[in-house]
Amino acid sequence: AQSVSQHNHHVILSEAASLELGCNYSYGGTVNLFWYVQYPGQHLQLLLKYFSGDPLVKGIKGFEAEFIKSKFSFNLRKPSVQWSDTAEYFCAVNHRLYNQGGKLIFGQGTELSVKP
Amino acid sequence: DAGVTQSPTHLIKTRGQQVTLRCSPKSGHDTVSWYQQALGQGPQFIFQYYEEEERQRGNFPDRFSGHQFPNYSSELNVNALLLGDSALYLCASRFGTSGTDTQYFGPGTRLTVL
Repeated sequence: AQSVSQHNHHVILSEAASLELGCNYSYGGTVNLFWYVQYPGQHLQLLLKYFSGDPLVKGIKGFEAEFIKSKFSFNLRKPSVQWSDTAEYFCAVNHRLYNQGGKLIFGQGTELSVKP
Repeated sequence: DAGVTQSPTHLIKTRGQQVTLRCSPKSGHDTVSWYQQALGQGPQFIFQYYEEEERQRGNFPDRFSGHQFPNYSSELNVNALLLGDSALYLCASRFGTSGTDTQYFGPGTRLTVL
């Protein structure tokens, strides 16, 4: 069955700490990978995405993610978090086949709380 | 440039009733997908509409149906509401149907079923 698993339900960090959020997927075929963020009171926004090429992708606000195909993982990282990074983070995957890309499969989300 | 808009913002219904949620895609987008997000969970894909037809469907019963209009806006209908249908319903839009196209999400409609 197709699934996305996020290892941490709730992460609490102090400002300037480094962040790594784990994401593993189980999905047959070639996939596209995404990280979305939902700030308090706001809608889901795309942080970054990976389709092909360099497995290290950079997104907005200093976030980056690394695709490791052999581990079916797409972990999100940030060297130094800020209080404004407090949000819920979702990893998602879809199929790369044309006309099959509408179905994004999301993980259960990781709530990040950054203490000032 | 307006993003994805959804209406209403909140809705309260009772079991057995029917509900219609509405979505206007981001300007230039022609494909709309609907998701259900239960409390504490990630969004779950309901279905996708393109060229006024349902193109993909997730694991949801036939009580969930939709429509896309010629102006690309979309409706989600849920019949015979159950308590378990209480959730945030998200609409996402994009241009085309390729998996590499970014989906842009609306703010959602919070449905409460009593």
